[in-house]
Amino acid sequence: SAVISQKPSRDICQRGTSLTIQCQVDSQVTMMFWYRQQPGQSLTLIATANQGSEATYESGFVIDKFPISRPNLTFSTLTVSNMSPEDSSIYLCSVNGLLNTEAFFGQGTRLTVV
Amino acid sequence: KQEVTQIPAALSVPEGENLVLNCSFTDSAIYNLQWFRQDPGKGLTSLLLIQSSQREQTSGRLNASLDKSSGRSTLYIAASQPGDSATYLCAAREGSYQLTFGKGTKLSVIP
Repeated sequence: SAVISQKPSRDICQRGTSLTIQCQVDSQVTMMFWYRQQPGQSLTLIATANQGSEATYESGFVIDKFPISRPNLTFSTLTVSNMSPEDSSIYLCSVNGLLNTEAFFGQGTRLTVV
Repeated sequence: KQEVTQIPAALSVPEGENLVLNCSFTDSAIYNLQWFRQDPGKGLTSLLLIQSSQREQTSGRLNASLDKSSGRSTLYIAASQPGDSATYLCAAREGSYQLTFGKGTKLSVIP
C-alpha cells in the first residue's frame, strides 16, 4: 500500500486568490492523480501528473486554472487559481499501487471559497 | 463512456443488521472494481479490490462480489456498527489509470 500525506487538510479562501495543495507519497510512483469532489457529487479526475513532463488534463480542466507541478517521484502540487465559490470542493491526490491495480488516496483538502 | 451508479443514495439501519450496498456499471470490460469508504469531508479509504477474474473478496465483516456479465457489484456488511456510518463509493477501473466513480451510498447505522 501507499501512504499519502496531503496538505492543507482544509482552508477557507477569498475569491480571486489561489491555493496550492501539496501531496507527498511514501514511495516513488510514476503517476499521481488529482481529483475534485464537488458537494454531493462523485469524484472527477482533474489531471494526471508524470514526473518530468507536463500534466495531462481531462476535458473541462485547463492548466491556467489548475497548474500542477511534479518535481520528483514522490511529490506533486495542485494550484487552484483565481478561485470562485464554484471551486469549493474536496480536492484529492491519488496514486496506484503495484501493477497499477489498486488506488490509494490522501486525506483530501476541503476548500471553501467565500 | 463508463457510467457507475450506486443505489440507494442513502441508507439508515439499526445497529446489528446485515446490509447490502449496490453498484452497477455500464461497460463490463473493466480491469477491476474497488470499494472505498469516505468519512465526512475526508479522503477515501480503500476497503476491497476485486479483480475482473474474481467473483468476490472478503475482509472481516465486509464481503464484495462482482458479476461482470451483468455489470454489478455488491458490498455486504455483516453485523453493522455505528462506526460503519460513512459514505461508501465504488469505482470501476478500465485501464492503468482510468477510474470511474459512483456517487456513493451514505450509510447511517443507528445505535
